[in-house]
Amino acid sequence: NAGVTQTPKFQVLKTGQSMTLQCAQDMNHNSMYWYRQDPGMGLRLIYYSASEGTTDKGEVPNGYNVSRLNKREFSLRLESAAPSQTSVYFCASSERGLAKNIQYFGAGTRLSVL
Amino acid sequence: AQKITQTQPGMFVQEKEAVTLDCTYDTSDQSYGLFWYKQPSSGEMIFLIYQGSYDEQNATEGRYSLNFQKARKSANLVISASQLGDSAMYFCAMRRGDDKIIFGKGTRLHILP
Repeated sequence: NAGVTQTPKFQVLKTGQSMTLQCAQDMNHNSMYWYRQDPGMGLRLIYYSASEGTTDKGEVPNGYNVSRLNKREFSLRLESAAPSQTSVYFCASSERGLAKNIQYFGAGTRLSVL
Repeated sequence: AQKITQTQPGMFVQEKEAVTLDCTYDTSDQSYGLFWYKQPSSGEMIFLIYQGSYDEQNATEGRYSLNFQKARKSANLVISASQLGDSAMYFCAMRRGDDKIIFGKGTRLHILP
């Protein structure tokens, strides 16, 4: 019953440091997503991946890179962290298409950049 | 631009009353899907209900129903007989034709005993 697993759960960085947020799903989904959640802003899409080897920018991609290593894993990298990237990050996955394909979420990563 | 608008930042409702959370959307896609998610204080995202753009009937899932008015581009969530455990943040979301899913800013619902 793992579903979508995100690591780490918490992280504190200093400005300019880099890190990678890991995400893995075991539901054989094609589509994977990275969102950030800030107070009063809802969830904003950072990057989307429709399948292994493909990625596409969302609403707020600046300052981030992603990698869809295989069907299971979709990582988010901050090359040079900035205080504006302090947020809660969610990874999600779903099957593709416009049927009732529910999006499943990980538990989130709470990131603070000092 | 395709977007989701939730105009109620917060709502207070008496327990056992029905509550309607508003959601309007803007899209030029002919095919799209609409979702509602609940986020309790623990932070996880819980799927509640789905409506496809071609579905003629309003979706229902237990105490949740989605009032879909396509011409008005609205997809309001109705919770019947609210419970204390319904206190949470509620997000409306839309799956676009390119398969990306975007969210509104959310409505924080408080159920009063």
